[in-house]
Amino acid sequence: DIQMTQSPSTLSASVGDRVTITCRASQTISDWLAWYQQKPGKAPQLLIYRASTLESGVPSRFSGSGSGTEFTLTISSLQPDDFASYYCQQYKSSSYTFGQGTKLEIK
Amino acid sequence: QVQLVQSGAEVKKPGSSVKVSCKSSEGSFRNYAISWVRQAPGQGLEWMGGIIPVFGTSNYAQKFQGRVTITADESTSTAYMELNRLTSEDTAFYYCATVTILTGRFSWGQGTLVTVSS
Repeated sequence: DIQMTQSPSTLSASVGDRVTITCRASQTISDWLAWYQQKPGKAPQLLIYRASTLESGVPSRFSGSGSGTEFTLTISSLQPDDFASYYCQQYKSSSYTFGQGTKLEIK
Repeated sequence: QVQLVQSGAEVKKPGSSVKVSCKSSEGSFRNYAISWVRQAPGQGLEWMGGIIPVFGTSNYAQKFQGRVTITADESTSTAYMELNRLTSEDTAFYYCATVTILTGRFSWGQGTLVTVSS
């Protein structure tokens, strides 16, 4: 199975900061990568698919980049609503594995 | 945009089985692959398995092999996940998700809480 290594596991930041979360795949996945935001008690919300395509309705401060094995999610200017958990997911192989998650906390 | 509606919360005894449903607003699963994901309390997301109805193929995470069955009923646009031999460690939210084969875009259900308790 393809392993997804996500970092950092916890990130402390302030409103207005630019933050980056990284996901590394154990083998090449082309651009078959999605990013999600999840808040407590809620289902994951799709932010980005195919590594860089912004889901409809998601603010443009979110962006995704990368291909092959290295991927990043960037939030250009943190807003109060962005403090949540974030996950990457690969769907290149027949087993769709997730990263371990990043909890974005208020500094 | 496809909408997925899952069945309601379940409380089960250890050793029993649970079957969760996921109904699509689309009339067919022809263009989708379907996955099931679970999240135990305070934990991350865990992919359990999936099915591509147009090919009739399913595959499962090694951790759940032999204990989970994922099916799809085209006539009702409903997918199912059945998990057997439940233990307290299976207490979790269970989510269905579809990915459009052509675009690679995901849609998720609202989640179903399964509680396993004696």
